[in-house]
Formats: sequence, structure tokens, C-alpha cells
Amino acid sequence: GESVGLHLPTLSVQEGDNSIINCAYSNSASDYFIWYKQESGKGPQFIIDIRSNMDKRQGQRVTVLLNKTVKHLSLQIAATQPGDSAVYFCAEMGPDNYGQNFVFGPGTRLSVLP
Amino acid sequence: GAVVSQHPSRVICKSGTSVKIECRSLDFQATTMFWYRQFPKQSLMLMATSNEGSKATYEQGVEKDKFLINHASLTLSTLTVTSAHPEDSSFYICSARDSGTFNTGELFFGEGSRLTVL
Repeated sequence: GESVGLHLPTLSVQEGDNSIINCAYSNSASDYFIWYKQESGKGPQFIIDIRSNMDKRQGQRVTVLLNKTVKHLSLQIAATQPGDSAVYFCAEMGPDNYGQNFVFGPGTRLSVLP
Repeated sequence: GAVVSQHPSRVICKSGTSVKIECRSLDFQATTMFWYRQFPKQSLMLMATSNEGSKATYEQGVEKDKFLINHASLTLSTLTVTSAHPEDSSFYICSARDSGTFNTGELFFGEGSRLTVL
């Protein structure tokens, strides 16, 4: 079901280090996943997506890993920068909700320390 | 990429008044838009699905008469918070999917509207 009213876990990393944000998704039938970044006071922004026929996808400084066996998704950010500080949401979609809203994870707040 | 515009970005109103928030898809058509509410330090909570030319579908616990949704065109959905009270103060976000893309296309989000009810 939808993520509702959960308080955000926080990840703190040193500037320049790599960040790994994890997400456990609920529906084994989900076959499309997106990571969104939400800065304070703004709407979510698309970062990277991956379909279930892939295990890994790379973007600029970001990599998404998908482990369908354990229903786990991760977002890796290389050389984390202060501008990466935000809340990160994973979102899943599958045959049950094609064309509808994504199912969002609870989100993780990333804090980049100077 | 596709852009979704929300207006106003911030609004302050007196208790008992109604507030309308607009969500526009600027360069694509959206038969379906979604409205969310987000409390501080919490995730997005889906309020309703806005369907062009038909009634919105509300999530359980969301009052239809309180949060009026109109999706009169393929590029515009509006959310009206009627008789607003302080507990309605929140960050409201809309999203839309390009109707021309495959069903699993990404959702594009508006910048959000922060409502403060005094």
C-alpha cells in the first residue's frame, strides 16, 4: 500500500564520500522503479529509473541497483556534494498499478557534512 | 524534460476561506494527475487521483467535499481546499504523467504549494 505518515530515517555522510541509500519495496510484481530527490520546500525531482530486466543502471554520479530476489533497491551517489542534501524517495510500479500513482517508499534524508 | 507547474507556491489564508491550487502540465497532455499532501519530515501521502473529464478518485480518509478536485482539461487540474482550517496547513504537491507515454512512464512533479491557514 501507500507509504503513509512515516518519519524519515537520516543518513549523514562526509562531503566527498560515497552515499548509499536503500529501499525495500513491497510488491514482487513491480517492474519499474524510480528514485526521486526532494529538496526542502520543493517537489520531487526524477533522478534515475530502472526496469526489472536490469540489475544496475548508471547515471551521472548515481547508480541504481536492483535485487529482485530480496526486493531491494539502492541508490549510490558518488563523491557526495552539499547539493545532494535532500530527501530521497524510491517509487515502484507494477501490473497492479500501471498508469496510476507510484507506490512511494518512506524516504531517506541525506545530510552531507562539510 | 516535461514540466509541471503549480500555482501558487505559497498561500496564507484565514480560517474558513477556500483556497484553489492549480496544477498544469506545460508541454504534455495528462489525462491523469495526482494530488499529494506532505507533512514536515514525512513522505508523500496520495490524496486523490484526478481524471480528466470525470470525477476524481479519493483515497480512504480524504474528504471529497473538503478537497474539491476539477480536471477540466488535459493540461489543468485544480485542488480547492474548502473552508480551510489550521489543520489543513500543509505542503500540497501534484504530479502528472504524459498521456502519450507508456503506462509506466515517470511521474513529473510540481514544485508544491505551501498552504498556511491562520
